[in-house]
Amino acid sequence: GIQVEQSPPDLILQEGANSTLRCNFSDSVNNLQWFHQNPWGQLINLFYIPSGTKQNGRLSATTVATERYSLLYISSSQTTDSGVYFCAVAGNQFYFGTGTSLTVIP
Amino acid sequence: DSGVTQTPKHLITATGQRVTLRCSPRSGDLSVYWYQQSLDQGLQFLIQYYNGEERAKGNILERFSAQQFPDLHSELNLSSLELGDSALYFCASSPQQGHYGYTFGSGTRLTVV
Repeated sequence: GIQVEQSPPDLILQEGANSTLRCNFSDSVNNLQWFHQNPWGQLINLFYIPSGTKQNGRLSATTVATERYSLLYISSSQTTDSGVYFCAVAGNQFYFGTGTSLTVIP
Repeated sequence: DSGVTQTPKHLITATGQRVTLRCSPRSGDLSVYWYQQSLDQGLQFLIQYYNGEERAKGNILERFSAQQFPDLHSELNLSSLELGDSALYFCASSPQQGHYGYTFGSGTRLTVV
């Protein structure tokens, strides 16, 4: 299957700081999505981004498919951004990375 | 509310028992996917149904089975439960067959004691 690596595994930020999360994948993919799992366990779709750049409020994502990586940018972080961020790529199934656990402290 | 409904939210059962988890997809979505999230294995794809037919199989144990009914809701059956089956089970739906446009339900937390 496709290997998906995310970095860093853990991140602690002061409220208001910016961060960049990275996702590397081992093969060509049809689809890439970023998800946020909040502290209550709910998985929320952030971006569908097989290539290019998208922005949604304080979050933006860029995927460079030819180089097999994607970046998620979080600006002006808030405590509600805490949780685990997953990157998932689709080949014949959806492969999830192991996630980046983000803690934003006030 | 994501539009994908999973019941029950929590389930506690004994080893050796059988349980059924239910998922109603978002209105208009034809594909249903089941995932298992455990501490040591992360998020693992189990199985996909599209419009009533099995489309893809992942790391699903033989003790587990699933189906999608004509009204498009899906059930995941887990039998001969073991302690290691304790996990969060997610259902997701999407409009088409491909793995995109996912919307996840809130999950069923299964505890086997």
